[in-house]
Amino acid sequence: LAKTTQPISMDSYEGQEVNITCSHNNIATNDYITWYQQFPSQGPRFIIQGYKTKVTNEVASLFIPADRKSSTLSLPRVSLSDTAVYYCLVVRIKAAGNKLTFGGGTRVLVKP
Amino acid sequence: DTAVSQTPKYLVTQMGNDKSIKCEQNLGHDTMYWYKQDSKKFLKIMFSYNNKELIINETVPNRFSPKSPDKAHLNLHINSLELGDSAVYFCASSQVPSGGPPWTGELFFGEGSRLTVL
Repeated sequence: LAKTTQPISMDSYEGQEVNITCSHNNIATNDYITWYQQFPSQGPRFIIQGYKTKVTNEVASLFIPADRKSSTLSLPRVSLSDTAVYYCLVVRIKAAGNKLTFGGGTRVLVKP
Repeated sequence: DTAVSQTPKYLVTQMGNDKSIKCEQNLGHDTMYWYKQDSKKFLKIMFSYNNKELIINETVPNRFSPKSPDKAHLNLHINSLELGDSAVYFCASSQVPSGGPPWTGELFFGEGSRLTVL
């Protein structure tokens, strides 16, 4: 599966928009881009997934350019509770046993 | 109701001991996983079971033995614990919708079991 590269950490302030870019140069045709969020002392939680163009849900937006070699997770108007580690993953959806590989993630710290 | 629950949440033990972590999911999913998160926060898959059958077995020492008595439960037994086994162990589950693609392959994680080996 394609390796992902994302910033180690980012600081932001309440009310700002946070954009985290992930590169996945070797993404394959069958791969989807998926983002998870992990709060301290909790398991990761699925945020959003996309294949190309733009996907939006109640939590975030995901922008994927035409070449799919990168993606950007956008968190609108963050609050203190959005402080977490955000993982970008490339996932090849299988009938069973999705072998998700998590990298180091991006630690987002939201300040008051 | 917790979807994926693990017990115990914390486990402190001595080197050489044997310990087990239990996991149960009430989501009706067919597939369950064990992941290990080390001190650097990297999450690595260890095992996966689909309908009680082992389908993913990463390079994990033989001291780690998963058991799935039914598709709602996946337990992890660790023999002869070593210092390097100290980590947070996460259980997860997933399900492929019967209607076929598209599906997200979303994993639902438990809250983790922090194992400390002294």
